Amino acid sequence: DAGITQSPRHKVTETGTPVTLRCHQTENHRYMYWYRQDPGHGLRLIHYSYGVKDTDKGEVSDGYSVSRSKTEDFLLTLESATSSQTSVYFCAISDPGLAGDTGELFFGEGSRLTVL
Amino acid sequence: SQQGEEDPQALSIQEGENATMNCSYKTSINNLQWYRQNSGRGLVHLILIRSNEREKHSGRLRVTLDTSKKSSSLLITASRAADTASYFCATPYVNDYKLSFGAGTTVTVRA
Repeated sequence: DAGITQSPRHKVTETGTPVTLRCHQTENHRYMYWYRQDPGHGLRLIHYSYGVKDTDKGEVSDGYSVSRSKTEDFLLTLESATSSQTSVYFCAISDPGLAGDTGELFFGEGSRLTVL
Repeated sequence: SQQGEEDPQALSIQEGENATMNCSYKTSINNLQWYRQNSGRGLVHLILIRSNEREKHSGRLRVTLDTSKKSSSLLITASRAADTASYFCATPYVNDYKLSFGAGTTVTVRA
């Protein structure tokens, strides 16, 4: 199994509070991603990183920020959590393929966040 | 927006039967991937097929890709209880390389 650790695995918080989810990898993969998974929507990309301090937005980035100060760590922050951000959050990593595509993604086990 | 869409949404089969699910996508792609997710776990990569390939096999899995119809299928042969999971196709976002996932097909294999 790819070395990806997400923390916390479960969190319950209240509306308006800040929340930070951490993704830690031991594979030295260049690319890291944050997805959220909701019933009926599959996985939707929030933010991604293509190197230290290099990040960009995905399709559902509003209300989220990220940081990557080290190759192995990618943090997802909800500045002021809302009930609509209740979801399961997945971190994934990959190395770009020789063909110029993303290649295979390796996923963490997920972080279940409930915003009351 | 999301590229791929799986069909059917859910599938229930008897152990030993084959399971087939389909994925349709909207724009040209250079590859398509299939992933499996067991309940409460992260996604696991199953197979990647490139746009110049029509069919690919991996153990009991067979994936086809028809770029003219913008569709792919995943066949699981001789299903087992352990195949009970959700299956997702993933395609690159339009004019991009990052992966977009569909809502998935939930497969239940009955003993």
